[in-house]
Amino acid sequence: EAQVTQNPRYLITVTGKKLTVTCSQNMNHEYMSWYRQDPGLGLRQIYYSMNVEVTDKGDVPEGYKVSRKEKRNFPLILESPSPNQTSLYFCASSQQGWTEAFFGQGTRLTVV
Amino acid sequence: EDQVTQSPEALRLQEGESSSLNCSYTVSGLRGLFWYRQDPGKGPEFLFTLYSAGEEKEKERLKATLTKKESFLHITAPKPEDSATYLCAVHPYNTDKLIFGTGTRLQVFP
Repeated sequence: EAQVTQNPRYLITVTGKKLTVTCSQNMNHEYMSWYRQDPGLGLRQIYYSMNVEVTDKGDVPEGYKVSRKEKRNFPLILESPSPNQTSLYFCASSQQGWTEAFFGQGTRLTVV
Repeated sequence: EDQVTQSPEALRLQEGESSSLNCSYTVSGLRGLFWYRQDPGKGPEFLFTLYSAGEEKEKERLKATLTKKESFLHITAPKPEDSATYLCAVHPYNTDKLIFGTGTRLQVFP
């Protein structure tokens, strides 16, 4: 079954404690991306990747890091989380140019 | 600045009452416009891709159209299971970013 898998689904952490949210896709897609979704602001792109070792900033990259060492994985790293990073995060992948993108089931992160 | 605006924010329809959702966009050039459906607590689900003005796509009760400044998602004779948030996104020509609107929350009552 074609899918994008994010882990964990729910996470509560404390300010400053480094964390990683994993994202894996099984469709051999070129494009992968991370978004955060906040009430009233919609989905905003954090980082995206067009291929292995190729990443670029989206609209809200501050406080986040990503890496794309393998085609299937695109982890999101928060080196020093802050409360304003409390949000619902989605990972997505698509073969090319964002058409027919598949989204993961989401990770709800709370930073206290 | 590239921008996507969706209206209305929320829409309540009676079952069978057709209507349209609007997505207006401002980009330097359009590589693609996408419609997604999002159910509560889930990730967005792809519906349509439109590439050029005049293009139309249909799927069951949904029909998406595109002009040079906006896209419409027409819902014909909606059913309660069509209740969801509908998201519009654009892929501008000069970047690989994907820009989403804030969505239209649709509720269809029996």
